[in-house]
Amino acid sequence: DIQMTQSPSSLPASLGDRVTITCRASQDIGNYLRWFQQKPGKSPRLMIYGATNLAAGVPSRFSGSRSGSDYSLTISSLESEDMADYYCLQSKESPFTFGSGTKLEIK
Amino acid sequence: EVKLLESGGGLVQPGGSLRLSCAASGFTFTDFYMSWIRQPPGKAPEWLGVIRNKANGYTTEYNPSVKGRFTISRDNTQNILYLQMNTLRAEDTAIYYCARGATVAPGGYWGQGVMVTVSS
Repeated sequence: DIQMTQSPSSLPASLGDRVTITCRASQDIGNYLRWFQQKPGKSPRLMIYGATNLAAGVPSRFSGSRSGSDYSLTISSLESEDMADYYCLQSKESPFTFGSGTKLEIK
Repeated sequence: EVKLLESGGGLVQPGGSLRLSCAASGFTFTDFYMSWIRQPPGKAPEWLGVIRNKANGYTTEYNPSVKGRFTISRDNTQNILYLQMNTLRAEDTAIYYCARGATVAPGGYWGQGVMVTVSS
């Protein structure tokens, strides 16, 4: 199975900060990488697909990028509504695998 | 409006069976791939499997962690996705979600989730 190593597991940050979350793939996954946001008691919400494409309705302060086997989700200026758990998902090869998650919280 | 509504969860004893349903509305059901994902409390989601759309013959793929015990099917006349779960174990305890996708990956529409607890 392809392993997705996500870091950090917890990210304390202040409103207005620029934050970055990263997933590293154990094998080549091309751009088959998605990012999901999950708030407590809610279903995951698709934020980024194809590594760099913003899903419908997602604010432009979110962006996705790739450098080799490292995939990043960046929030340019943190807002209170962004406090949530974030997960990456690779869909290059079955079984599709999620990262272990990053909890984004207010410092 | 796209809606996905799971049902059928609950408490089941180890070794038991359960069938989850996901009622879909607001879109042409046969056009889309449908996935099941589960999430144990406090942990990351786990992809369970997918059933493809009409154009791709409604074929299925499964995570080896559940292959042989779980079966994904769909009723394309009633727009319902199913997850049949057999020989349930304590480690199957989780919230189970269905999700729609334009490809094999879960996309922008998920159900609200249904809790399954496996315990004696």
